[in-house]
Amino acid sequence: DVKVTQSSRYLVKRTGEKVFLECVQDMDHENMFWYRQDPGLGLRLIYFSYDVKMKEKGDIPEGYSVSREKKERFSLILESASTNQTSMYLCASSLKYRTAYGYTFGSGTRLTVV
Amino acid sequence: KQEVTQIPAALSVPEGENLVLNCSFTDSAIYNLQWFRQDPGKGLTSLLLIQSSQREQTSGRLNASLDKSSGRSTLYIAASQPGDSATYLCAAYRGSTLGRLYFGRGTQLTVWP
Repeated sequence: DVKVTQSSRYLVKRTGEKVFLECVQDMDHENMFWYRQDPGLGLRLIYFSYDVKMKEKGDIPEGYSVSREKKERFSLILESASTNQTSMYLCASSLKYRTAYGYTFGSGTRLTVV
Repeated sequence: KQEVTQIPAALSVPEGENLVLNCSFTDSAIYNLQWFRQDPGKGLTSLLLIQSSQREQTSGRLNASLDKSSGRSTLYIAASQPGDSATYLCAAYRGSTLGRLYFGRGTQLTVWP
C-alpha cells in the first residue's frame, strides 16, 4: 500500500516563526498536494506539485510556499506563522497517469500558532 | 470550477439502519469520484473510487454509485454500526494530469447503539 507520512501529528509554534511541514510518500507518485482543513470551510488546496521542482498555486496560497527537491518529499513552508494559520494540514499524493489508483492522504498535522 | 455538495451535512441514526449519503457535482466532465472517511482529528482514508467508465463500486457493506449525466454519486452503507461513525467526504477528480481533487464539505455520521 502507498504510504504518505507527515512528520508531525501535532505542532505548536509562535507567531512569526518559520514553520516547515514535511510530507513523504513511498510509491513514486508524481503528484503531491497540500490541503488545510478548517471547521465549516472544508478542505482547501494550498499548493500542489506534479513533478520535482514544479509547483502550482491552489486556492489559498497566500502566506505559504512549498519545496519539492525530491520526488518523494513535498514540504509546506509558513514563512512567518500567524494565528490564522492554525489548522489541520493534510498532504496527499497520486499517480499522474494511473488515475484508477486515486489519491492517498497522510494522517495530518494539527498546527497551532500562538 | 467544480462545485461539490454533500447532503445531508449531518446524520444521526440507530444501529442497523441502511443509509444513503449524497454527493452532487456541477461539472459532469469528471474522471473519477472518490469517497473518503475521516475520523475526528485524523487524516482521510479512501473507501471507494469510481472511474467515469464505471457506474458503481462495492466494498463490504459499502456501495458507491456514479451517475455522471445527473451529476450525482451516492454512498450506500448497509446495516450501519457504531464503528461507522465518522465524517464521509466525496471528491471529484476532473481528469487532467495535474489531478487536483474537488471536495464536498462532508456528511458527519453518528450511529448510536
